[in-house]
Amino acid sequence: DAGVIQSPRHEVTEMGQEVTLRCKPISGHDYLFWYRQTMMRGLELLIYFNNNVPIDDSGMPEDRFSAKMPNASFSTLKIQPSEPRDSAVYFCASGPDSYGYTFGSGTRLTVV
Amino acid sequence: GQQLNQSPQSMFIQEGEDVSMNCTSSSIFNTWLWYKQDPGEGPVLLIALYKAGELTSNGRLTAQFGITRKDSFLNISASIPSDVGIYFCAGQYSGGSNYKLTFGKGTLLTVNP
Repeated sequence: DAGVIQSPRHEVTEMGQEVTLRCKPISGHDYLFWYRQTMMRGLELLIYFNNNVPIDDSGMPEDRFSAKMPNASFSTLKIQPSEPRDSAVYFCASGPDSYGYTFGSGTRLTVV
Repeated sequence: GQQLNQSPQSMFIQEGEDVSMNCTSSSIFNTWLWYKQDPGEGPVLLIALYKAGELTSNGRLTAQFGITRKDSFLNISASIPSDVGIYFCAGQYSGGSNYKLTFGKGTLLTVNP
C-alpha cells in the first residue's frame, strides 16, 4: 500500500479564497483523522470519521471549516473563506492496524 | 478536555548520550503511543503501549505505560545523529466508536555529532 496520500503537498492562497485539502486513507482502515499542526498549538485534532461517518468534530475551529468523507477511500477538508491564521500543516491519518495510526506527509497551507 | 503535558520541550545532546522524555495526562488512557516526526513529513509510530505497567523496547528505544495510566516515558539509548526530530507522545481512551487520539506538544531533539 502507498500509505496515506495527501494532496496537494503545498498550497498558497489569498485570503478569502476557498481551499480544499484531500486525503486518501489506507485501504481497509476504519478511522480517518484530520489534524492541524502549528508551532504554537502543536498537533490539534480537527475531526475524525469512523466508517465514513463523522464522530467528533469538536476540534473544527469555526464554521469556515468543513470536512466530508463521501466514501471509504476519500476525504476532504475545506476552508471557506480562508484567513491568514489558517496557515499551518494539515495532516490526515488513518487506522488502526498493527502500526497504529498512519499519517500522510501533510499539506502545508499558506494564506497570504 | 484531555490534556497531555510533554517534557522537556527540547533537548540538545551529544552523540552517544541517552535521552529520556515523558508525558503526563490529566485523565487516564488505555493506550499510549510514541511518534517521531522528521522535517517535512508526518509523524511515524515508534512504540505502542496497551497495558498499564507495560515496558516495551524497539531497538534503542524503550517506553513504559505508567501504572496510574496517566503517564508514559520514552528512553533512547546511545543516541545517533539520525535520532534528530520531534518526538510526540499520544494517548487514547477508546470505547465504543471513540478512538480519539490526543497528542503532546512534542520534544525537539538535537544530537550533536
